[in-house]
Amino acid sequence: KAGVTQTPRYLIKTRGQQVTLSCSPISGHRSVSWYQQTPGQGLQFLFEYFSETQRNKGNFPGRFSGRQFSNSRSEMNVSTLELGDSALYLCASSNRPGLYEQYFGPGTRLTVT
Amino acid sequence: AQKVTQAQTEISVVEKEDVTLDCVYETRDTTYYLFWYKQPPSGELVFLIRRNSFDEQNEISGRYSWNFQKSTSSFNFTITASQVVDSAVYFCALRGQLGANAGGTSYGKLTFGQGTILTVHP
Repeated sequence: KAGVTQTPRYLIKTRGQQVTLSCSPISGHRSVSWYQQTPGQGLQFLFEYFSETQRNKGNFPGRFSGRQFSNSRSEMNVSTLELGDSALYLCASSNRPGLYEQYFGPGTRLTVT
Repeated sequence: AQKVTQAQTEISVVEKEDVTLDCVYETRDTTYYLFWYKQPPSGELVFLIRRNSFDEQNEISGRYSWNFQKSTSSFNFTITASQVVDSAVYFCALRGQLGANAGGTSYGKLTFGQGTILTVHP
């Protein structure tokens, strides 16, 4: 089975721009979660989607949003980028939300200048 | 709120030494899962183990073993006879099982510790 894939792998944006990151879960997995990893804050939960519905959300401003499509692929969007948004954004998929281990993708490294 | 603490920021050992990574957690959920993940330099988090809060049996998988003690809220990870390939950042994580309508506070999200950087020297 192919693992979780994320595109693009690297991205450089300017302050004020917006960005969309994509995640394709493992085949058959319907739950997708997003995490932000920074040296200062570590790994922080952004949100989780299951069956195209947001099931849980972390403590991030409204500039961070996401969605899930009927094929379980997910996108996250960050609008009005700030320097502090520079991070590794990790996507994880699991069979179902809540109970099961999550399998992570390689991440998208976002640099905001 | 829940919290995971990995007190060891960095550990350095020589190959073949045994090493234990500590993890202490806090949660108000009565049912939860604990995890360990490995993050090699490539950046991808690799799942190592999941442990249910009801199951306090220790587990061994090859050179890896885990000691779960609910009484001390700890879930420690030991690598026996470490190898250079074990060099990575290791994360302990907690995930609540119960939804909000059942009194849970952390359903659906992993709370990670800050990670322990393990360097194994040849």
